[in-house]
Amino acid sequence: EVQLLESGGGLVQPGGSLRLSCAASGFSFRSYALSWVRQAPGKGLEWVSAISTTADYIFYGDSVKGRFTISRDNSKNTLYLQMNSLRAEDTAVYYCARGGVATGYSFDSWGQGTLVTVSS
Amino acid sequence: QSALTQPPSASGSPGQSVTIACTGTSSDVGAYNYVSWYQQHPGKAPKLMISEVNKRPSGVPDRFSGSKSGNTASLTVSGLQAEDEADYFCSSFASNTYYLLFGGGTKLTVL
Repeated sequence: EVQLLESGGGLVQPGGSLRLSCAASGFSFRSYALSWVRQAPGKGLEWVSAISTTADYIFYGDSVKGRFTISRDNSKNTLYLQMNSLRAEDTAVYYCARGGVATGYSFDSWGQGTLVTVSS
Repeated sequence: QSALTQPPSASGSPGQSVTIACTGTSSDVGAYNYVSWYQQHPGKAPKLMISEVNKRPSGVPDRFSGSKSGNTASLTVSGLQAEDEADYFCSSFASNTYYLLFGGGTKLTVL
């Protein structure tokens, strides 16, 4: 069974940093591109960042470019999102999702999400 | 960075059909057959229902179907059931500027 388990969320002050992790199991982690997708409370989905299987290709949404860094460790089956210079508008549930060009840019598996709250 | 456009709400009675539209531009929906649809129940993670415009993943009922015409993609739910009541989001691969765009979401109510 495919499983994605996010962790690392919490309360952080504006301007602060946080690192999210997504531990994967049940599939060949190194064979899939991955993304982070977030959802502000009561709002819609927003794609945040994507990383290819070997991290050769990395993409960011405009709202996080220059502040967030996506990475992966294929030896640990783990995806990361380093978030710096956090703002109130970054408050959201952050999901890791499996998929990329090989899945037609669709996400066929999602984690349960981790809540990030940016507030003083 | 503009999201794809979806109606905020849609509704139908059990057994009826409902169609949800997702409008983009010639740089995203109109340019690529990489439109996906997701179902999200309250407090749950999204679930993939349709990929690449009209492909149904294993386990998704054939009551769910997708299509596209020009810059607008559509999700049709036939034979509505109570458990179909949820939020539905479309997404599309975009140009190199964005990578992926989501729609604002449509709340489907089964009357």
